[in-house]
Parts: sequence; structure tokens; C-alpha cells
Amino acid sequence: QVQLVESGGGVVQPRRSLRLSCAASGFTFSLYGMHWVRQAPGKGLEWVAVTWYDGSKEYYADSVKGRFTVSRDNSKNTLYLQMNSLRAEDTAVYFCARDAMRGPPNTEGMAGSDYWGLGTLVTVSS
Amino acid sequence: DIQMTQSPSSLSASAGDRVTITCQASQDINNHLNWYQQKPGKAPKLLIYDASNLETGVPSRFSGSGSGTDFTFTISSLQPEEIATYYCQQYHDLPFTFGPGTKVDIK
Repeated sequence: QVQLVESGGGVVQPRRSLRLSCAASGFTFSLYGMHWVRQAPGKGLEWVAVTWYDGSKEYYADSVKGRFTVSRDNSKNTLYLQMNSLRAEDTAVYFCARDAMRGPPNTEGMAGSDYWGLGTLVTVSS
Repeated sequence: DIQMTQSPSSLSASAGDRVTITCQASQDINNHLNWYQQKPGKAPKLLIYDASNLETGVPSRFSGSGSGTDFTFTISSLQPEEIATYYCQQYHDLPFTFGPGTKVDIK
């Protein structure tokens, strides 16, 4: 069965960096786009970033553009999120999620997320 | 970016009631809309895709409709275990924006 397990969260000071990982299993990782979505405490879902199945393209929310980088290692079935210049407003649970790959041509088939991990909490605080 | 709104922001209903949530997009998104259920402390779960298609294994009391800018999500008979927050998400264009959510609880 599809499993996504995030790791790497913790408490970090403002302006520092953190890298999250997401280990995937139960499906052919290299065939799927992958997303990061976050949820601040008591708030709604915020889409963060996506990487194409082969890592050839990425797209970011304006709130993280220039600070966060999504990448993947298809040989290790692992997704990453490098977070630099962290701010208090980046405090959230970060979920990795598999793309459903049934979307329209203008998104190259991307269609939101059909499987999600349990999330990892990132707290940015001095 | 495409903005998504939902109403109501919260509702209370009795077990067995019909529950309806609406979602509106700031521009035409065709039928490129997902609905998710998120229970407290859990990851979201995809219920409906393409605005009206039920994800595999999801009970048929959940349904969705709409196209263009206006969408509806319905639970035909609310069960106690369906206490959750429900989100719409458009995937017509990146970034894939979510609605603010509708919190559903039992009266």
C-alpha cells in the first residue's frame, strides 16, 4: 500500500535552515509528481510546492518562493524540502503528498493529492 | 492565482441530516476540483475529484457537483464519524489553491 513518511521537523530559530524528507513506498515513485502542503496550528491547508515526476520542473507558492526548494531522489524514493531563511509564519505541520496524475493538459496532468503522509511539525521560534 | 472561497465556515447538524457545502472559484476552473476530509490531528483524505467523481472506497453518501466557478459538496446522511473539516482545492492551474475549509460537527 502507498506510504509516505515525513521526517526532519523540529524547532529552529528564525533565519535558519531546515531540510525535510519524505520516504515513499508502495508505488513507483518515479512516475508521480509530488507535493508539499502545510498547515499552521489551527489554520487551513496551504499548498507549498510541487515537483514533477522526473524532477525536471518545480513550482512554488509565492509565500515560499526564493526561500524553499523542493527536490527528489528517485533512486532513493525520497522527496525533500529545503527551507532557508525561516520565519515565524512558516511554523506548521508539513505534509508530503502524491499527485493523482489525472489533471488537465495545462498542468501537465497534475491533479492535487490522492495520498498524504502524516506530516512533520516545524516550529520557528527563538 | 485562483482564489477559492467556501461557505459556510462551520455548521452543526444532527446525525442523519443532509449537509451541503459550497465552494466558489475566482475564475472558471472547468471541473478541476477536489474535495478533502480532514479529521482532527490527521492527514487530509481525498473524497471527490473532477468535481463529482468519488474516490475509490469513499461511501456513496458523499457527492459533489458543479462546473465553472460554483461547486457543491453534499453528505446525504451525516454520520458521527464524519465530524471533520472539509476543503475544496482547484487544480486547474498552479498554484493549486485550497478553500479555507468548512468545519462540520454534530449538534
